[in-house]
Amino acid sequence: DAGVIQSPRHEVTEMGQEVTLRCKPISGHDYLFWYRQTMMRGLELLIYFNNNVPIDDSGMPEDRFSAKMPNASFSTLKIQPSEPRDSAVYFCASSPMAGGGSFIGNEQFFGPGTRLTVL
Amino acid sequence: EDQVTQSPEALRLQEGESSSLNCSYTVSGLRGLFWYRQDPGKGPEFLFTLYSAGEEKEKERLKATLTKKESFLHITAPKPEDSATYLCAVQALGYNFNKFYFGSGTKLNVKP
Repeated sequence: DAGVIQSPRHEVTEMGQEVTLRCKPISGHDYLFWYRQTMMRGLELLIYFNNNVPIDDSGMPEDRFSAKMPNASFSTLKIQPSEPRDSAVYFCASSPMAGGGSFIGNEQFFGPGTRLTVL
Repeated sequence: EDQVTQSPEALRLQEGESSSLNCSYTVSGLRGLFWYRQDPGKGPEFLFTLYSAGEEKEKERLKATLTKKESFLHITAPKPEDSATYLCAVQALGYNFNKFYFGSGTKLNVKP
């Protein structure tokens, strides 16, 4: 398996522009997570999906951020309009279902990340 | 408020000098504690999952332990290739769904 795939790997854009980050999880994984990592705030969970349904989006910073998972093999994180404070590395991760239903006991597999710079 | 705190922020060791990294947590309904390793420019890579106090897991020079309030990652006789940032994460039982929290990490530098 190729692992979690993210694109683009690097994105430089100007303030006010729309940014779309893409993620392909590992085939067969039931959970998909979007994280943001900065030096100041570390790794923050933005949202996660279970079987394509958003479960917890309490980490999404504001209405400018939105995430979708139209099918089991694709997810997007969109920022519109982008601001300089959105500059960070955005990671996507996926995880298989563990035994016991809703308990997520298994590890998350992270993609290589997208480094976003908003000028 | 749920919280995960790692210490120290940075640690410099000589090759072969054993030490421990700490992860303390204040969450209600712990469902699992995870350790990850992150190399520069890469995503975190899974190391261990611990589920209950008293549990221990080992992998090569690393050993993770868990109590009711904290976890330790012990590094025995480290090598330069162990240099990385080590992240602790907690899965906790929320009101309707599981919550996930990451610590800020410990940056380990092992000198030859």
